[in-house]
Amino acid sequence: SHELTQPPSVSVSPGQTASITCSGDKLGDKFASWYQQKAGQSPVLVIYQDNKRPSGIPERFSGSNSGNTATLTISGTQAMDEADYYCQAWDGSTVAFGGGTKLTVL
Amino acid sequence: EVQLVESGGGLVQPGGSLKLSCAASGFTFSDSPMHWVRQASGKGLEWVGRIRDKAKSYATAYAASVKGRFTISRDDSKNTAYLQMNSLKTEDTAMYYCTSQMTTVVTPDYWGQGTLVTVSS
Repeated sequence: SHELTQPPSVSVSPGQTASITCSGDKLGDKFASWYQQKAGQSPVLVIYQDNKRPSGIPERFSGSNSGNTATLTISGTQAMDEADYYCQAWDGSTVAFGGGTKLTVL
Repeated sequence: EVQLVESGGGLVQPGGSLKLSCAASGFTFSDSPMHWVRQASGKGLEWVGRIRDKAKSYATAYAASVKGRFTISRDDSKNTAYLQMNSLKTEDTAMYYCTSQMTTVVTPDYWGQGTLVTVSS
């Protein structure tokens, strides 16, 4: 199965840019997605097909995917963005999720 | 508005069985593959499996950890997906979410609120 690796935690100051990485073997050859999960809530899709935003997701969320790394970027981070973030990819037979990154807005 | 409502969770003894349901509305259910994803308390997301639509012969795929014990099915006439769980283990204790997939790329998109399964004696 495909393994995706994320840093356990990332900290950012309000208004600054947060970057969360997701690493996996030849991940750039697959489509990566990202989910936001706030405490006590269900996950919400924020980026799919590497860099597309679902309806209702703010423009400050963007994504990229190349080589072995996918990146979720949050520009002008707000306090409301504090959450756990998970990357996801399909390896042709199973869905893989990264271990999750806790984003703290200090 | 897309809605997914899971039900059927509860307390079950190790070795027991449980069947979860996921009632869908707000989209063309019959055209959408459906996934089940679980999350143990304080842990990350773990994909359980997927069922495709009629055009793809309702093909299923499962995570290695549940293969042979769990079965996903669907009833398009009721807009409902199911997760039959047999031979349950304590490590199956988790919140279980169903999700839709409305793109051709395999991406769980909309998620339900989840139903809690506790396996304990």
